[in-house]
Amino acid sequence: AQRVTQPEKLLSVFKGAPVELKCNYSYSGSPELFWYVQYSRQRLQLLLRHISRESIKGFTADLNKGETSFHLKKPFAQEEDSAMYYCALTLDSSYKLIFGSGTRLLVRP
Amino acid sequence: NAGVTQTPKFRVLKTGQSMTLLCAQDMNHEYMYWYRQDPGMGLRLIHYSVGEGTTAKGEVPDGYNVSRLKKQNFLLGLESAAPSQTSVYFCASRFQATDGYTFGSGTRLTVV
Repeated sequence: AQRVTQPEKLLSVFKGAPVELKCNYSYSGSPELFWYVQYSRQRLQLLLRHISRESIKGFTADLNKGETSFHLKKPFAQEEDSAMYYCALTLDSSYKLIFGSGTRLLVRP
Repeated sequence: NAGVTQTPKFRVLKTGQSMTLLCAQDMNHEYMYWYRQDPGMGLRLIHYSVGEGTTAKGEVPDGYNVSRLKKQNFLLGLESAAPSQTSVYFCASRFQATDGYTFGSGTRLTVV
């Protein structure tokens, strides 16, 4: 079965430190991968998707098919980055997004 | 442009009661989804729809039913609520299968 694994439930860093939120997936085909962010008591928002290769709010993510990973990175964390982050994938012929269990990022002043 | 609107935002039910959650989108999206969000488990798909008049089961469909009589609305029903259905429910939609989702603001349901 296709799975998305986010191994860290909580990641705590200091402001200005680099951030890497890990995401690994298990799927042999060509998935499309996404990162969603949920700020406190707000709805989930699309942060970025691998197909567009864009950088949003300083975050980037590179799809590594060899390692089946799609880690989210930011060189200098800001306090406003504190939120819940979800990695998700959609399959070639499917209509569904499969989500990981999420990582809570806490950026301390 | 309201996007995806969920009603109600909060609800407390007694075990055995029934209720319907409404999701409405005004973006002419074909695909609509219902997820539940539980601590440590992320979002799990309950049911989804790929177009008006169609529905399909997701990962955790037991205890829920859905209907998509109109393209813009996707209803989630609980016929006999159980405490295990205490959760935050999110509706989402997208125009085509390769797009990202647009989410609603969620419904926090407590079953006592």
